[in-house]
Amino acid sequence: DTAVSQTPKYLVTQMGNDKSIKCEQNLGHDTMYWYKQDSKKFLKIMFSYNNKELIINETVPNRFSPKSPDKAHLNLHINSLELGDSAVYFCASSHRMGTLNTGELFFGEGSRLTVL
Amino acid sequence: KQEVTQIPAALSVPEGENLVLNCSFTDSAIYNLQWFRQDPGKGLTSLLLIQSSQREQTSGRLNASLDKSSGRSTLYIAASQPGDSATYLCAVRPDYGQNFVFGPGTRLSVLP
Repeated sequence: DTAVSQTPKYLVTQMGNDKSIKCEQNLGHDTMYWYKQDSKKFLKIMFSYNNKELIINETVPNRFSPKSPDKAHLNLHINSLELGDSAVYFCASSHRMGTLNTGELFFGEGSRLTVL
Repeated sequence: KQEVTQIPAALSVPEGENLVLNCSFTDSAIYNLQWFRQDPGKGLTSLLLIQSSQREQTSGRLNASLDKSSGRSTLYIAASQPGDSATYLCAVRPDYGQNFVFGPGTRLSVLP
């Protein structure tokens, strides 16, 4: 059973297009995240989201938007794709702090986006 | 603002050697610290999680320690094997927010 799954694994598209990456977790977590890993392999938080709070990293362009149909899903929608958006995008999930749990973070396998 | 660094950036060792990877963070107000492994083209696999009240955690040949007051964690790998070759990342979860902050990683190569 895959704990955090994201699709597609690979996405190649033209500049200016709009695309979405889907993420689902079956761990019962209440907080989900999107991270971007650039060509230098550095991981940066883009969003964290639970059913009460969306936290956006201020460096993320507003062309990027998270959409959550329910607690187990957090999709990433990107408008007007640019060359610099090419990266690997990782979805992750955890319990939020303050609950009786370890707060461990679990990752999906990543979605490699290439913008031509 | 929490910042996480890892040294060395890359490490190459012969098989069988014991090794230590280092992680430093600037703000000691953390909820927990987690070590991950990332293989090329793959996602991150959780190795060990240390709560802020703990000093160390062990799993098989791996031992992670935490010294919160000095802002340091180490990952000790005993009797290294070629299959241990990967990038190792540490991440801290601050007390004051939900978002984990990652270090840049240490790329480990274990030579047969």
